[in-house]
Amino acid sequence: TQLLEQSPQFLSIQEGENLTVYCNSSSVFSSLQWYRQEPGEGPVLLVTVVTGGEVKKLKRLTFQFGDARKDSSLHITAAQPGDTGLYLCAGAPTKLGNQFYFGTGTSLTVIP
Amino acid sequence: GAVVSQHPSRVICKSGTSVKIECRSLDFQATTMFWYRQFPKQSLMLMATSNEGSKATYEQGVEKDKFLINHASLTLSTLTVTSAHPEDSSFYICSARVGVYGYTFGSGTRLTVV
Repeated sequence: TQLLEQSPQFLSIQEGENLTVYCNSSSVFSSLQWYRQEPGEGPVLLVTVVTGGEVKKLKRLTFQFGDARKDSSLHITAAQPGDTGLYLCAGAPTKLGNQFYFGTGTSLTVIP
Repeated sequence: GAVVSQHPSRVICKSGTSVKIECRSLDFQATTMFWYRQFPKQSLMLMATSNEGSKATYEQGVEKDKFLINHASLTLSTLTVTSAHPEDSSFYICSARVGVYGYTFGSGTRLTVV
């Protein structure tokens, strides 16, 4: 069951452009994470957000957790070819439980 | 940091044979590990949760007799794809929980059944 819907599913942009990826759900999550995955590799954690309304920045990447903890966004400023990859959000409904659900994924291609 | 080592990274097998994939936690103990399946440019779909010393918990629609999971120690979980068929070809990834919020992933196994 996919509890987390990401949009867009595919995104192809020119180097230097900005973009936003959305991760939406009707469920509340105790925490939400964003990962980037390159072909043939496992996902690599970018950030964890746990507080409603929380904003975290990682260089050119800005992550926001919705106030109701049901959604999140990832904004990339001045995208570079190295940002190309599959971006996945993932959420845990409860803090100590083992349930952990991935979003539907956003495949980003940044063209030089 | 916590590292999960997954082997093999790639495997090609003949239809009808079985393939074992190993997932080891290198510098920590993992009482619970997770196995995912992924198709190209798609998200990870949880197949099962592997619990040390007890039976794995399978997600709805996953055949437990086809995807055998063993978690005999705190550092090793294995996934065996039995009587593999071409439709089982996929990218399989394991992960382990680290701390309250963290999950660390193996590097994945590309299975091709011919």
